Amino acid sequence: EVQLVESGGDLVQPGGSLRLSCAASGFTFSDYAMTWVRQAPGKGLEWVSVFSERDGRPYYADSVKGRFTISRDNSKNTLYLQLNSLRVQDTAVYYCAKGFGASSYSSLDHWGQGTQVTVSS
Amino acid sequence: DIVMTQSPDSLAVSLGERATINCKSSQSILYSSNNQNYLAWYQQKPGQSPKLLIYWASNRESGVPDRFSGSGSGTDFTLTISSLQTEDVAVYYCQQYYSIPFTFGPGTKVDIK
Repeated sequence: EVQLVESGGDLVQPGGSLRLSCAASGFTFSDYAMTWVRQAPGKGLEWVSVFSERDGRPYYADSVKGRFTISRDNSKNTLYLQLNSLRVQDTAVYYCAKGFGASSYSSLDHWGQGTQVTVSS
Repeated sequence: DIVMTQSPDSLAVSLGERATINCKSSQSILYSSNNQNYLAWYQQKPGQSPKLLIYWASNRESGVPDRFSGSGSGTDFTLTISSLQTEDVAVYYCQQYYSIPFTFGPGTKVDIK
């Protein structure tokens, strides 16, 4: 059974940093693209970033480019998202999601339960 | 960026009746090399994570009831729930994965009338 468990969310001040983790199990982690999606309170889904070994490079939404960094440790079956220079508008539940395939250009067939990031002074 | 729009914003349907949600992309998301539309539909029930329903515009994900179907090509797509059940109350999102950033539609809320 595929499982994705996010952690690392917290209350942080504007300008601060956090690192989110997503522990994966139940599939061969290195074979699939992995994505972060966020959802602000009462709002819709916003795609944030994807990292595929097959594509060999990460991609980011413009809203987080230069501030967030996605990475993965295939030996630990874990996906990360480093959040720097946080803004109030980054407040959201952050989900990690598994790609349907190896390419970044995939639908998202499994999602974690999400981790809450709150940016406030 | 490809802009995804959905209509209606919300709808209420009687139990057992059909629900239809439309999704439109600002440019074609049909990839000519493989003749696939890079369009997915997700269901998000209150307090839960999103769940994949449909991928490649019309392929039902494993375990999804066959009352859910997806159709369309190019820029216009539809999610149909043929006979609405109480457990289908949710917000439904379309997403294009043709071009980065992989944008979502704003969502359509489905309720029971």
